[in-house]
Amino acid sequence: DSGVTQTPKHLITATGQRVTLRCSPRSGDLSVYWYQQSLDQGLQFLIQYYNGEERAKGNILERFSAQQFPDLHSELNLSSLELGDSALYFCASSVASGGLTDTQYFGPGTRLTVL
Amino acid sequence: GQNIDQPTEMTATEGAIVQINCTYQTSGFNGLFWYQQHAGEAPTFLSYNVLDGLEEKGRFSSFLSRSKGYSYLLLKELQMKDSASYLCAVRDPQRGGSYIPTFGRGTSLIVHP
Repeated sequence: DSGVTQTPKHLITATGQRVTLRCSPRSGDLSVYWYQQSLDQGLQFLIQYYNGEERAKGNILERFSAQQFPDLHSELNLSSLELGDSALYFCASSVASGGLTDTQYFGPGTRLTVL
Repeated sequence: GQNIDQPTEMTATEGAIVQINCTYQTSGFNGLFWYQQHAGEAPTFLSYNVLDGLEEKGRFSSFLSRSKGYSYLLLKELQMKDSASYLCAVRDPQRGGSYIPTFGRGTSLIVHP
């Protein structure tokens, strides 16, 4: 158990809908990272937040957005869902802002199925 | 950007030794990670190399050669529970100073009796 928690574990929804995924980092960690993992794409970095502020952006679609709250938990919002958005969504956390000594620890993931 | 290459699948026998290779091409190198991921579960941190050489941690060792853009993960005394995907990830600098790892597609290791 990494100490990173994610809810829900599974989510089934329909195309066009909007969902929110939640992540709580390990105690003391200030950074939260979101990744998408699908069978044909591998683990893809979406976005990083550090102490409430966006820090780095990866291949995140405009239909997706995220935020980090004052208590450091984070939410990833996915809207206008498409079949291709079906994937495992992982959250990871690290102590600092993503520097050379930082290691990411992953949560158990949310499996999203879009029908 | 990064280009990371690792074999798709490997098989090995319980009790044996297996070496999983990773080659990378990068515009800037800032360290290499190995993660283990069982099917449907979270990636679990195994090792981190930033300097050339071998890092040993129990049954697992990781090697890095920066000049060759090459790393390997060595698993000794294989156990059935080692059947998993092994992800190689290379850090590159991002805007804002964060060193975000780019992950390879992973090597699926199957350990059989």
